Amino acid sequence: NAGVTQTPKFQVLKTGQSMTLQCAQDMNHEYMSWYRQDPGMGLRLIHYSVGAGITDQGEVPNGYNVSRSTTEDFPLRLLSAAPSQTSVYFCASSYNVGGETQYFGPGTRLLVL
Amino acid sequence: DAKTTQPNSMESNEEEPVHLPCNHSTISGTDYIHWYRQLPSQGPEYVIHGLTSNVNNRMASLAIAEDRKSSTLILHRATLRDAAVYYCILNSGGYQKVTFGTGTKLQVIP
Repeated sequence: NAGVTQTPKFQVLKTGQSMTLQCAQDMNHEYMSWYRQDPGMGLRLIHYSVGAGITDQGEVPNGYNVSRSTTEDFPLRLLSAAPSQTSVYFCASSYNVGGETQYFGPGTRLLVL
Repeated sequence: DAKTTQPNSMESNEEEPVHLPCNHSTISGTDYIHWYRQLPSQGPEYVIHGLTSNVNNRMASLAIAEDRKSSTLILHRATLRDAAVYYCILNSGGYQKVTFGTGTKLQVIP
């Protein structure tokens, strides 16, 4: 199993540009989520999904969209990038939403100029 | 939501045991105590979790106070590879309710 994979590893955007951060898992996990981690900070939940076709907002959803058309994939879309979205983004998955172990991807480092 | 309190940083000598404390005075009866760690430039990884009883696995041990208001992650012999930020979190119904604080940064001294 590859576990949780994320692409790209690093991205530079200009203010106003849009992009999609990709996340995929091959463990047949129902629950997937996106976090952002700013320097010296803990992780903050952006959006999450409890299964294909079901998504919901986390703590800091503004400026981001998600969709979950398959169990495996959970892309995160930045609609109009802003410097405040400069951060490291982590995708995670777990077997279910009930508190099982969460598996994290390696992260995408995003710089918005 | 129940929160946890951890020291910002700790130091340990290599090959010595490390006890990482976590306070969670508002823990509810259904909250599991989870520990994750984050190595530099990597995503967090699961370490251990428990509900009431002490737990052991190949990575660490988790000691839970009888009143469950605190817990301690024990690394039996710290290695340089254990230098990381350790997060103590509470989870009773899904990660959408979980808060990852700033954790404890563990420095291991050779």
